[in-house]
Formats: sequence, structure tokens, C-alpha cells
Amino acid sequence: AQSVTQLGSHVSVSEGALVLLRCNYSSSVPPYLFWYVQYPNQGLQLLLKYTTGATLVKGINGFEAEFKKSETSFHLTKPSAHMSDAAEYFCAVRYNNNDMRFGAGTRLTVKP
Amino acid sequence: NAGVTQTPKFQVLKTGQSMTLQCAQDMNHEYMSWYRQDPGMGLRLIHYSVGAGITDQGEVPNGYNVSRSTTEDFPLRLLSAAPSQTSVYFCASSSGQGVTEAFFGQGTRLTVV
Repeated sequence: AQSVTQLGSHVSVSEGALVLLRCNYSSSVPPYLFWYVQYPNQGLQLLLKYTTGATLVKGINGFEAEFKKSETSFHLTKPSAHMSDAAEYFCAVRYNNNDMRFGAGTRLTVKP
Repeated sequence: NAGVTQTPKFQVLKTGQSMTLQCAQDMNHEYMSWYRQDPGMGLRLIHYSVGAGITDQGEVPNGYNVSRSTTEDFPLRLLSAAPSQTSVYFCASSSGQGVTEAFFGQGTRLTVV
């Protein structure tokens, strides 16, 4: 079954440090790729999405993600973490039939 | 801007009871879907709809029914609630396939005792 894997259910970084959240998908055909963020007791909010063309995608709040077809990856990064970045992050893929599938999520903790 | 509205926000049910989770969107989106969120499992697709009158099953459809009589509304029915259905439920909508993102409601936290 086509799926998406997020490596690391919890990631902890210090404020100002690099944030790296990993996402890999399993398909020979590149899907449409998304990153969502969920703050406590809220719904999901889109951070960024990969369409076609440029493989480095910039999103909101200083986040970006790079699509690497050879590695079937779409890792999320931010150069300098802020306390307000503490949340849960979900990678999602969509194939042709509009069926969007999510990874298990990565909870990001930012230490002062 | 209402977006996707889910009601209720919280609900406690007894085993065997039935209920309907409501979802409405005001963006004229064709595609709507229901997910459940459980710790460590991300969001799993329950049912989805590609337009009024058309619904289909997702990954975990058992125990849930849906219908789509209008573009705006996509209710999720639990016919006989079970403790395994304790979860947070999210409704989402999008305007089309492929690259278009899904917009989510604020969720319904359901507890079945």
C-alpha cells in the first residue's frame, strides 16, 4: 500500500537550532506532497506543498521542504527554531484519486 | 470566514448509542473527507466524497456511515458506538484533486464509555 513515513515521533531542539523533520513516501510515482502543522487542541494548518518545478518549497513561518525524487523524501526544515514552533507536524501525500494519506506525525519540542 | 465547521466540539457517548457528527463548509468545495486521529497513528481516512451524491470508503470505514446530499454538508454517523471509536475526528474539504490542499475543521473529541 502506498504510504508515508515520518521518522521520529518526537524531536527536541533548542531555541535557535536547526529543525529537521523527516518524511519519506513509498511510491515510484511522485505524489503531491504536503506538510501540515497542528497546535494543541486545533485543526491542521497547511505549512507548504510541493507541486511541480522547483524542488525546494518555501512555506509559512520560515519553514521549507525539499523534494528529492531519488530518495523519495520530502523533509521539512527551519534554520532557527522558535518557541512558537512547538507543535505536531504531519507529512501528507495525495495520489490521483484525491485520497490524502498522513504520516503518524512528529511532535516538535523547543527548549529555551 | 467560516471555512470548515464541525459540531459538536466534544461528545461523550455510551457504548451502543448512535450519533451524527456534523461537518459543513462554505467554500463550495467538491471534495470532503473524514479522518480520525489517534496517538501515534496520525490521521486515518474514514470516508470521503468527491461531490454531492458520491461517497467512498477510506482506510477505516467500519462502524461509520456517510452521505452527501448537498455540496456543503458531509455528516458522519456512528450507528452503534464502541470504545474503539474514542478518538478525535476531523472533517476536511478541498476544491479539487492533486495539488490543492485540504482545509480542516477544528475537530470533534469523542469519548465512548
